Amino acid sequence: NAGVTQTPKFRVLKTGQSMTLLCAQDMNHEYMYWYRQDPGMGLRLIHYSVGEGTTAKGEVPDGYNVSRLKKQNFLLGLESAAPSQTSVYFCASRTGRTQETQYFGPGTRLLVL
Amino acid sequence: AQKITQTQPGMFVQEKEAVTLDCTYDTSDPSYGLFWYKQPSSGEMIFLIYQGSYDQQNATEGRYSLNFQKARKSANLVISASQLGDSAMYFCAMTRYGNNRLAFGKGNQVVVIP
Repeated sequence: NAGVTQTPKFRVLKTGQSMTLLCAQDMNHEYMYWYRQDPGMGLRLIHYSVGEGTTAKGEVPDGYNVSRLKKQNFLLGLESAAPSQTSVYFCASRTGRTQETQYFGPGTRLLVL
Repeated sequence: AQKITQTQPGMFVQEKEAVTLDCTYDTSDPSYGLFWYKQPSSGEMIFLIYQGSYDQQNATEGRYSLNFQKARKSANLVISASQLGDSAMYFCAMTRYGNNRLAFGKGNQVVVIP
C-alpha cells in the first residue's frame, strides 16, 4: 500500500497564479485533512472532509478551496496565490474512530514569489 | 477551543539518556485523546503514541511512554535510551471525541548528541 501520497512534492508559483494540490489515499479512510506548516507554528488545519462529497473549514481556510469528489482523493486549490501561502502543506487521512491516528502524506513545499 | 502548549526551548540530549518533552492542554471536555508525533529533518510526520482521557494506565510504545497527569492537564512524552535517530521535532496534538479534528502544539526540538 502506498498510504497517503501528495502531488506535487515541490512547486514555485508567482503571485496571482493558481494551482491544485492532490492528495490520494488507498486505505479507504473516511476522513481527510489539509494542513499547512510554517516555521514555529506547528500544523494548522486548512480544510477537512468527513466523507465523499463533504468538506468543512478548519482553522485557516481563507484563500483555499477543497473538493472531495472521490473518497480516495482530496484536492486543495489556491485560486490566486499570495506570498503568505508559502508553506509546507500536509495531507492526512484516518478512519472514523477518534482514537485512530491520522496518517500523513510526505508534504508539498510551496513557494510563492 | 482546544489549546496545546509546548514551550520548551530546543533540547540537547546525550545518547542513551532519557528525555522528557512537556505538553499541556486546555479543554473543558471530559472525552479527548492525546497524540505525539515525530518529525525528523526529512519532513514526514510519524505517529508515536496515543493516550485516551479515560485510559487508566499511561500509554507505552517501545521506548516511548506518556506521563499522563489528567488533573494537571499534562501529557509529557518520555523517550528512554535516546538514539541519534531520535533527533527531530516532536509535536503534541489533541482531539475531542466526535470533533474529527486535531489541534497541534508548536513542537519541541530535540537533538541527540553522541
